[in-house]
Amino acid sequence: AQTVTQSQPEMSVQEAETVTLSCTYDTSESDYYLFWYKQPPSRQMILVIRQEAYKQQNATENRFSVNFQKAAKSFSLKISDSQLGDAAMYFCAYRRSNFGNEKLTFGTGTRLTIIP
Amino acid sequence: DAGITQSPRYKITETGRQVTLMCHQTWSHSYMFWYRQDLGHGLRLIYYSAAADITDKGEVPDGYVVSRSKTENFPLTLESATRSQTSVYFCASSAWVYNSPLHFGNGTRLTVT
Repeated sequence: AQTVTQSQPEMSVQEAETVTLSCTYDTSESDYYLFWYKQPPSRQMILVIRQEAYKQQNATENRFSVNFQKAAKSFSLKISDSQLGDAAMYFCAYRRSNFGNEKLTFGTGTRLTIIP
Repeated sequence: DAGITQSPRYKITETGRQVTLMCHQTWSHSYMFWYRQDLGHGLRLIYYSAAADITDKGEVPDGYVVSRSKTENFPLTLESATRSQTSVYFCASSAWVYNSPLHFGNGTRLTVT
């Protein structure tokens, strides 16, 4: 079974600084997808960024980027120029690509605090 | 408005009662999911559905029942609520393509007393 591990239950960063959230996963598959979701206090789950395992290029979405290391099974999220609105729980998630198994497996989350 | 809606947003029930959480999506997405969120566990999959009349168990299905007679609806029923089922429940949907993200509802906070 696939597992996703987020080893940092809490992180904090000064406003305008850069922070990296770590995520590792365990899989025997070669083709899969990885996601980062953000959950602010409103409880809404918001997709931040996604990465296809077959792509070597790291995904980027504005201030958010990932460092995808397939051999190491690592998928960290970097937030640049942190803003107060970035304060949230962040969940890393894995999705196998084979038909019949479309569910997402989530990590336990990292709570990010932004210090003004 | 297009999207995925869950109801109710908050629910308090007593141990032993049956309660149904509703989920409705307007995208005609094939896949729908029910997750529960608990501190220290992240989101854990309860049940999912690949299409109408096709459902399958997830990681923590015990005590829950689902049905999907129509593509747009995926209700979750707790047959006899227990305190361990106190949680936040999320419904989600996605298109059939593999790299499609899940789109989540706003969640239902359920308290079982």
